[in-house]
Amino acid sequence: DQQVKQNSPSLSVQEGRISILNCDYTNSMFDYFLWYKKYPAEGPTFLISISSIKDKNEDGRFTVFLNKSAKHLSLHIVPSQPGDSAVYFCAASAGRKTSGTYKYIFGTGTRLKVLA
Amino acid sequence: GAVVSQHPSWVICKSGTSVKIECRSLDFQATTMFWYRQFPKQSLMLMATSNEGSKATYEQGVEKDKFLINHASLTLSTLTVTSAHPEDSSFYICSAITGQGYSPLHFGNGTRLTVT
Repeated sequence: DQQVKQNSPSLSVQEGRISILNCDYTNSMFDYFLWYKKYPAEGPTFLISISSIKDKNEDGRFTVFLNKSAKHLSLHIVPSQPGDSAVYFCAASAGRKTSGTYKYIFGTGTRLKVLA
Repeated sequence: GAVVSQHPSWVICKSGTSVKIECRSLDFQATTMFWYRQFPKQSLMLMATSNEGSKATYEQGVEKDKFLINHASLTLSTLTVTSAHPEDSSFYICSAITGQGYSPLHFGNGTRLTVT
């Protein structure tokens, strides 16, 4: 059962335009959401996060939106740059310690290609 | 801050041998570390959660006798792949959280294991 889903395996965007990456989740216990960027043969790099008490968080060119009723979050990158080309993973967690452990569940990733 | 170092970055071993992968938090104390595995073009699959000074919690389907995890100190967790087989070839990534509650995971750079 895939609790965190990224339905678009790939996305191409022109340099300077907005990139929108989407993520859906099924577990209503999730209350902390994160986005990571990953290059091949490297570990993921943390980009931005949002807790369920907010519906928007912004950091420079990156903005994450959370729609709890739809169990949906999205990452907006504007303006997109060629260096943003990578695989983006969303992740969800029950932020408080539950059952003695934390757990971060990742989506399947979306490969973003920013065209110069 | 929040640097996680993973070693080695790649390893080739013969079938039947064991391989140890180290994960260190360099500038913070990590009470909880996580081990993930990534197959080509797939998501990050959580293998186990490692808490300092206690036994690791393994995800369903992960053989605890094959993937031995030790978290002996607040800055070091190790994953040992015992009696490795070619199907264990994969990209293994460790991660750690810096605090409790709403805290992002910080990842090491991963270890590419190839079993011949």
